Amino acid sequence: AQTVTQSQPEMSVQEAETVTLSCTYDTSESNYYLFWYKQPPSRQMILVIRQEAYKQQNATENRFSVNFQKAAKSFSLKISDSQLGDTAMYFCAFTLQGAQKLVFGQGTRLTINP
Amino acid sequence: NAGVTQTPKFQVLKTGQSMTLQCAQDMNHEYMSWYRQDPGMGLRLIHYSVGAGITDQGEVPNGYNVSRSTTEDFPLRLLSAAPSQTSVYFCASRPRTTAYGYTFGSGTRLTVV
Repeated sequence: AQTVTQSQPEMSVQEAETVTLSCTYDTSESNYYLFWYKQPPSRQMILVIRQEAYKQQNATENRFSVNFQKAAKSFSLKISDSQLGDTAMYFCAFTLQGAQKLVFGQGTRLTINP
Repeated sequence: NAGVTQTPKFQVLKTGQSMTLQCAQDMNHEYMSWYRQDPGMGLRLIHYSVGAGITDQGEVPNGYNVSRSTTEDFPLRLLSAAPSQTSVYFCASRPRTTAYGYTFGSGTRLTVV
């Protein structure tokens, strides 16, 4: 069975700093997708960034980028120039090609301080 | 384009009561799912559907029932509410292409007393 582990329950940084959230996963499959979701206090789950396992290039979306290390089964999220609005729970999630189930990590609570 | 709409946003039930959580999407997505979110456990899959008339169980299906008569709607029924079903419930949908990921509704906070 696939598992996702986020080893940092909480993190806190100052505004404008760069922060990296860690995620590791376990699978014996080769075709899969990885996602980072943001959950602000409003409770909405917002897709931040996605990575396809067959792509070697790391995904980037504006201030958000990932470091995808397939051999190490690691998928970290880097937030550059952090903003107060980045304060949220962040979930790493995994799914196999064609599967219906998203497997979530336990989440990292990120606080951006002014 | 409303995306995924869930109602109600909040609900309090007494043990043994039944109710239906509504979910509708206007993106013509084939796949829809229900998740529950509990503290420290991330989100867990309850039931899912790959199209109208087709549903299947996820990892925590007990106490819940689903049906999918149309592409747009995927209601979740609690048959006899129990305190263990106190949680936040999310409906999600995605197109056939896995790479796009799921779009989530805003969630329903359910308390069973």
